[in-house]
Parts: sequence; C-alpha cells; structure tokens
Amino acid sequence: GAGVSQSPSNKVTEKGKDVELRCDPISGHTALYWYRQSLGQGLEFLIYFQGNSAPDKSGLPSDRFSAERTGGSVSTLTIQRTQQEDSAVYLCASSEPWGETQYFGPGTRLTVL
Amino acid sequence: DQQVKQNSPSLSVQEGRISILNCDYTNSMFDYFLWYKKYPAEGPTFLISISSIKDKNEDGRFTVFLNKSAKHLSLHIVPSQPGDSAVYFCAASGVETSGSRLTFGEGTQLTVNP
Repeated sequence: GAGVSQSPSNKVTEKGKDVELRCDPISGHTALYWYRQSLGQGLEFLIYFQGNSAPDKSGLPSDRFSAERTGGSVSTLTIQRTQQEDSAVYLCASSEPWGETQYFGPGTRLTVL
Repeated sequence: DQQVKQNSPSLSVQEGRISILNCDYTNSMFDYFLWYKKYPAEGPTFLISISSIKDKNEDGRFTVFLNKSAKHLSLHIVPSQPGDSAVYFCAASGVETSGSRLTFGEGTQLTVNP
C-alpha cells in the first residue's frame, strides 16, 4: 500500500517568509508525528497528533512553528517568518492507533536563504 | 540532555563480516527500542525493534540485543552487504513520553566495503 507522502520534497525560501509543509499519512494511521533533522544532527521531535485528542506541541522550538491536522488525516506544518536556523529536513511519520512503530515519509528539505 | 547516544559516528566493515552498531540510553522509562536505516535523500526506514521485556530479537540478517541493566542496545548485521551502507539510527520510546514519540540517537554511518 501507499506509504507516507510529503510535499514539497524541496523548498527554498527567503528569510522572513512563511512556509507550509504537507504530510499525507498512511491510510488508517491515527497517530501522526513531525520531526526535523538539522545538518549533522539526529531527528528531533516537534509535534504529535493522536486521533481527535489535543496535539502534543512540546517539541516545537518557537511560536513561529504550528501544525494542523484536518479530518484526522492530512497534516500541515507551518513556519512563520522563517530564519536560517530553520533550515533542515522535516520528516513526517505515522503509526497505527497506539502503535509503537512509526513509518516515515521521504521528508521535505527546507533551505532558508 | 542527550537521552539516546550513538557514540560511533561511523563504522566500516568488509562485506560478509559482522557489523555491530551500538546505542546507549539514560532514561530508565524507555521500554521500546527501534532501529531505522536511512539512505541519503530518503526518510528513515524501519528495520527492527525490541520491547524491554525481551533481550533479543532476530529478523533475518538483523539481530537487536538489549541489556537493560547497562541501558545498552546493539544491532548486529550478519553477513554485511554493500547495500547495507547507510546511516543507522537507534530510537526509544516509553510510557512516560507522549504517545510513542521517539527519541533518536545521532546516527552511525555504516560503510560495507566489497
């Protein structure tokens, strides 16, 4: 079946602009996660959605970052007033309800000039 | 505070030999551990996992060992193949963490030489 998909695959933006990154999870997966990987770093947790529960936003690095999940499926990560330190690969993952194993999308490489 | 650490940034082995990748953790509430493999420009691919109630899990050429008392896990690949060359991440989750959010190590670049 189809895996997790993300768009765009690459995004180049100017400092100060807003960007939106999209994630389509695996069908039937109610849990959705966003992570990012900065150059030379491991993956850093950003935010977690589980069904209709309030999201866990504890990993968001600043209030410029926000995320939505509409209809329990597609999610959008928004970064406002981008900064150069936001440059990273943003990865989305999904899992079965309360599943332990997360399946990752290919990521969006964000470059802020 | 790095709760999951992979102390070796790189490892090089010969084709056919064993690859051993190591991972240490500090949070005693972690109870589920995973290994992911990542190729350049791709997302991490799930490889193998282990629950804290076990000390070994095997899947084909891949075996994960867990030593809870030492807070250490390792991934063994036997025999290693050139196609195994990738970055390997260990990850952990626990009952105290939100849902199953994963805490990742920094990764180890494995190179298998023909």
